[in-house]
Amino acid sequence: QKEVEQDPGPLSVPEGAIVSLNCTYSNSAFQYFMWYRQYSRKGPELLMYTYSSGNKEDGRFTAQVDKSSKYISLFIRDSQPSDSATYLCAMSAIGGNKLVFGAGTILRVKS
Amino acid sequence: GAVVSQHPSRVICKSGTSVKIECRSLDFQATTMFWYRQFPKQSLMLMATSNEGSKATYEQGVEKDKFLINHASLTLSTLTVTSAHPEDSSFYICSARDGGQPTDTQYFGPGTRLTVL
Repeated sequence: QKEVEQDPGPLSVPEGAIVSLNCTYSNSAFQYFMWYRQYSRKGPELLMYTYSSGNKEDGRFTAQVDKSSKYISLFIRDSQPSDSATYLCAMSAIGGNKLVFGAGTILRVKS
Repeated sequence: GAVVSQHPSRVICKSGTSVKIECRSLDFQATTMFWYRQFPKQSLMLMATSNEGSKATYEQGVEKDKFLINHASLTLSTLTVTSAHPEDSSFYICSARDGGQPTDTQYFGPGTRLTVL
């Protein structure tokens, strides 16, 4: 079993839709949770960063962490064609020096 | 935000040759840099952690004699793929951390696509 599971998609939605992206994990030591966006043939770009459980909002993006279920989500409101990319979840433990990534979900927003 | 560059962006080489990839933090000092490998439609796999002025720490299964890492300054780390073979063809991405804590943000470079013929 992988430490971090993420549905690779692709997820195809119409412009303006609300998008929900999710990851599950098995290591209860993970405390820091991140979402990265990666455009084709580019490096990942940090979108959201949360610590422990709870919600965090930044513009059209909302990150949620449910540690009891070992489940994290990224919501994108009013999705735009420019949001089309691969979204990677990543997490690390306190004192841990490395990030563990999910496989990434390909998102396609159609105009 | 912090910027990390990589050079070259893509390289094609013959089997048996060595290839050097540079990773630079342009507007901040990075005591720690990371090297990842990404296969098509797969996630990033950490290869090694590089600390300025010390030896790199390699992940299990990564050959340190094949993937030589040098972190000579606070803004530059290099990855040299020695005696490259077609199975080494991949997308190599570096990241640089802007602080000394494991939870400080990692900023990623744009990646280097290596093709070994």
